[in-house]
Amino acid sequence: KAGVTQTPRYLIKTRGQQVTLSCSPISGHRSVSWYQQTPGQGLQFLFEYFSETQRNKGNFPGRFSGRQFSNSRSEMNVSTLELGDSALYLCASSPLPLLRLEGPNTGELFFGEGSRLTVL
Amino acid sequence: ILNVEQSPQSLHVQEGDSTNFTCSFPSSNFYALHWYRWETAKSPEALFVMTLNGDEKKKGRISATLNTKEGYSYLYIKGSQPEDSATYLCALHSGGYNKLIFGAGTRLAVHP
Repeated sequence: KAGVTQTPRYLIKTRGQQVTLSCSPISGHRSVSWYQQTPGQGLQFLFEYFSETQRNKGNFPGRFSGRQFSNSRSEMNVSTLELGDSALYLCASSPLPLLRLEGPNTGELFFGEGSRLTVL
Repeated sequence: ILNVEQSPQSLHVQEGDSTNFTCSFPSSNFYALHWYRWETAKSPEALFVMTLNGDEKKKGRISATLNTKEGYSYLYIKGSQPEDSATYLCALHSGGYNKLIFGAGTRLAVHP
């Protein structure tokens, strides 16, 4: 069974540009969440999607947005990039949202390898 | 603001040593505590998801305990091997939210 796939793996942008990152969850997983990691920080929650609906959002400015498609694939977009947006962006999937510990959902997240964004 | 603390920040041990690290979290509104292992250039991988006070879980040489009343969890590695070298993350799942709050991690280096 294929794991979580994130594209692109690496990208370089300049300040003011925008970027779109893509995440394909494990087949059958319907919940996708996004996390940001910057040097010295733990993973910071960005947002979580389930059934094409954003269920929860972290403390990030409105420049950070996302969406989920009917096949559960998700994209996140960052507009008007700033130097501080340079980070590793991780996507994680699970069969159901974390709060729904039922059926195939053991509560654990399955992570992709991340997209490393550098803003110059 | 919920804060998850991990200690130590980094650890160097010799092959064969046993080691342990700590995750501290606010005990109110507890739902679950996760442990992940993150090797360089790979994706974080779940070790344990713990929900009950007093829970103990084991996977091979790695085990974890949970105290939800006082807000801490310990991760133990028995007889460390070089392949155990990784960053170990704990994450709090607080009731009511579909998100995890991660600690900054403990970076373990096991030297042959």
